[in-house]
Amino acid sequence: AQTVTQSQPEMSVQEAETVTLSCTYDTSESDYYLFWYKQPPSRQMILVIRQEAYKQQNATENRFSVNFQKAAKSFSLKISDSQLGDAAMYFCAYRRKTSYDKVIFGPGTSLSVIP
Amino acid sequence: NAGVMQNPRHLVRRRGQEARLRCSPMKGHSHVYWYRQLPEEGLKFMVYLQKENIIDESGMPKERFSAEFPKEGPSILRIQQVVRGDSAAYFCASSPGQGRIANTGELFFGEGSRLTVL
Repeated sequence: AQTVTQSQPEMSVQEAETVTLSCTYDTSESDYYLFWYKQPPSRQMILVIRQEAYKQQNATENRFSVNFQKAAKSFSLKISDSQLGDAAMYFCAYRRKTSYDKVIFGPGTSLSVIP
Repeated sequence: NAGVMQNPRHLVRRRGQEARLRCSPMKGHSHVYWYRQLPEEGLKFMVYLQKENIIDESGMPKERFSAEFPKEGPSILRIQQVVRGDSAAYFCASSPGQGRIANTGELFFGEGSRLTVL
C-alpha cells in the first residue's frame, strides 16, 4: 500500500527567509503524481505545486519549488522569501496515475512565519 | 466561478440523529471524493464515486456511513445515528475523468462541512 510520511509536525521560518518541508513516500509504481497542498486557517485545501514522476525536472511555481528524488522516494518543498500568508498546514500527497484512484495525504506540517 | 460547492458549511447534530452532507463537483468533473479531517489531523480518504457508481469505499466505516452520487444532483455523504467521534470536517473534492485532456491529476476541494455532534 502507498503511504506518505511527513516527519516534521511543525516548522517555523523568519519572514523573507527560506524553509524546506520534507516528504517521503512509499510506492511500487513507476509513474504517479505528487502534490503539495496548503491548508490555511480558512481550512480550504489549495494546490501549491504538482510533479509528475516521469518528469525529471523539478517543478517550480514562483516562490515554491520541489526537490524530487525518485530513487529515494523523496519530495521536499522549498518556500523562498517566506511571507506571512504562507503560514498554514502543508500536506504532501500522492496519487497513482491509473484509473480510479484516490489521493493519499501525509499527516501534514504546520508552518509558522515569524515577522 | 463554479468551484466545488459543499453544504452545509456547518452542521450541528445531537447523538443519534442523521447528518447529510452535500457536494456539487466542479463543472465538467465526473469524479467525487470524500475525505474526513479530525481535529489536528490530516485528511483521511473515505470514498470515491462516479455518477451512479461507488469506485472505492475502502475508507468508509462499515456501519452508519453511506455515500451516493446520483445521475442528477449532488453527491451526498450520509451519517446515521451520529456519535461524538463523528465530529470532524468533511471535505469533498472532484476531478475530471481519467484520460481527459484537462486531467492534471489534482483534486479540487470544496471548503468543507464541519460537523459537530453534541
